[in-house]
Amino acid sequence: GQNIDQPTEMTATEGAIVQINCTYQTSGFNGLFWYQQHAGEAPTFLSYNVLDGLEEKGRFSSFLSRSKGYSYLLLKELQMKDSASYLCAVKDSNYQLIWGAGTKLIIKP
Amino acid sequence: GAVVSQHPSWVICKSGTSVKIECRSLDFQATTMFWYRQFPKQSLMLMATSNEGSKATYEQGVEKDKFLINHASLTLSTLTVTSAHPEDSSFYICSPDRGMNTEAFFGQGTRLTVV
Repeated sequence: GQNIDQPTEMTATEGAIVQINCTYQTSGFNGLFWYQQHAGEAPTFLSYNVLDGLEEKGRFSSFLSRSKGYSYLLLKELQMKDSASYLCAVKDSNYQLIWGAGTKLIIKP
Repeated sequence: GAVVSQHPSWVICKSGTSVKIECRSLDFQATTMFWYRQFPKQSLMLMATSNEGSKATYEQGVEKDKFLINHASLTLSTLTVTSAHPEDSSFYICSPDRGMNTEAFFGQGTRLTVV
């Protein structure tokens, strides 16, 4: 079967750095996505990785290792508004998105 | 990004009634629409894929007679939850397919509560 694993919940301090890990086992790979989802809202796109390496976008960076089936989302200079769930999703060989359950990030002052 | 309008954003209905959820893509023509359901603290689960002018494809375990999908035009897809029960209470989200190598965009989501 296909599955994506992420920690259920993480806590970090305002101004600090946090890394959210994601491991995946899918039938084929056509890209990995990270989304942010605030409570009661739809997910919003953060980043996309299809090749190995690091993609940087402002305070957010995402890393991919296809050989290890592993990705992480790095959030720097944390702000209170970053409190949300972060979803990892992979497009499989059929280009269907397979979703992780999300990591709830709690930011403390 | 794509502009997707989903209505209503929340709805409370009585058990046994039906609820229609609309999803409109406002700035492009969506041949295919994905419908997801998300229970609290769980991942997005694909329910069905609707295609303009043809029958929807339902995921295993999703009752097609209970979740009626209509995709009559390239800008509008609807999901009707028929004879709703409390266990149907969930967050329903639509997402138009914009191609293989593009990120997904979503409607605002509909919080359905069946009492």
